[in-house]
Amino acid sequence: EAGVAQSPRYKIIEKRQSVAFWCNPISGHATLYWYQQILGQGPKLLIQFQNNGVVDDSQLPKDRFSAERLKGVDSTLKIQPAKLEDSAVYLCASRDWARGYEQYFGPGTRLTVT
Amino acid sequence: SQQGEEDPQALSIQEGENATMNCSYKTSINNLQWYRQNSGRGLVHLILIRSNEREKHSGRLRVTLDTSKKSSSLLITASRAADTASYFCATAYISSGSARQLTFGSGTQLTVLP
Repeated sequence: EAGVAQSPRYKIIEKRQSVAFWCNPISGHATLYWYQQILGQGPKLLIQFQNNGVVDDSQLPKDRFSAERLKGVDSTLKIQPAKLEDSAVYLCASRDWARGYEQYFGPGTRLTVT
Repeated sequence: SQQGEEDPQALSIQEGENATMNCSYKTSINNLQWYRQNSGRGLVHLILIRSNEREKHSGRLRVTLDTSKKSSSLLITASRAADTASYFCATAYISSGSARQLTFGSGTQLTVLP
């Protein structure tokens, strides 16, 4: 089966600019997660979707971050405006909740804010 | 703050040796998972151990869980250069009703020297 797809793989922007990341989960996976991974740290959950509904966005900085999952498949994560501390790898993961707890991760988008 | 903490932060061994990584966590869990991350890549699920299990094996991997001490260990036997990667433990807890999320530790960077 095809894995989790993410694009772009790399993005460099200046602070205060906007950026958007795209994720296409594994077909049939109802649960989708966005993580932020700062260099040298483990992934930190930003938001969790179940189909097209938000399950948990308690750690999402809502003043600048937004995410959506229209039609319960693809998802986009947006940052507007970006800050220097947003430089990180943004990982998307999906899970088939009916089959277990394992999460499948995409390759990530490396964001550099200058 | 991240619940799981890995020890050591970095580990360097010779090919053929065994590698042991430890993880400690703070609150009650449903299960604990180990993931591997090669440089510049997404995370790959290695093994899951449930809270009512004490030991689990998968190929060259052996995971133990001590819920009384809130700790787990990952043993990789007969290591290979290809095992060079960062290893993360992730604890699964119940949040927002039936949703289950992962909280990742900061990882152990394993280097296997040929």
